[in-house]
Amino acid sequence: EAGVAQSPRYKIIEKRQSVAFWCNPISGHATLYWYQQILGQGPKLLIQFQNNGVVDDSQLPKDRFSAERLKGVDSTLKIQPAKLEDSAVYLCASSSGTSGGGETQYFGPGTRLLVL
Amino acid sequence: KQEVTQIPAALSVPEGENLVLNCSFTDSAIYNLQWFRQDPGKGLTSLLLIQSSQREQTSGRLNASLDKSSGRSTLYIAASQPGDSATYLCALYGGSQGNLIFGKGTKLSVKP
Repeated sequence: EAGVAQSPRYKIIEKRQSVAFWCNPISGHATLYWYQQILGQGPKLLIQFQNNGVVDDSQLPKDRFSAERLKGVDSTLKIQPAKLEDSAVYLCASSSGTSGGGETQYFGPGTRLLVL
Repeated sequence: KQEVTQIPAALSVPEGENLVLNCSFTDSAIYNLQWFRQDPGKGLTSLLLIQSSQREQTSGRLNASLDKSSGRSTLYIAASQPGDSATYLCALYGGSQGNLIFGKGTKLSVKP
């Protein structure tokens, strides 16, 4: 079974530029998550999708971050414009359940973003 | 607001030693608790998941316990190996927030 795929693996941009990350979850997984992990911290949930609907985006900085999962499969996370404090690893995860949470999440390798 | 604390932040042990990683949390109204492993440059791998009704889970050399009343969980690693070197993260689901809340992790180094 293929795992969660993410691309690119690394990205370096200058502040005020835009960037987009892509995630393809495990086949058949209804729930998809985007996390931000700043160096030395645990991951923090940015947004959670169930199929193509948003379940939780309370911690997403909506003035600069956006995400979509149009067909309920793969997802894109965008930052526009980027700030220095956005430097972090962006992790995508998926889970099979639709019960609202608590099931095991499977994580991708992450995209490491450096904003200069 | 749920807060998750992991102590120590870093730990170095010689190969073969048994060790315990600690996780504490402030809100005992949790649905479950998970331990993850994170290798440098890689994503997270789920090691053990303990439901709120359970006291412990075991997988190979790993044993995780949960004591909701005291707000604590421990991850016990038996006969540590250099391949166990990684950052171990504790995460909770439930409480006042309906998503996974992570601690900052314990960075483990097992010396040959």
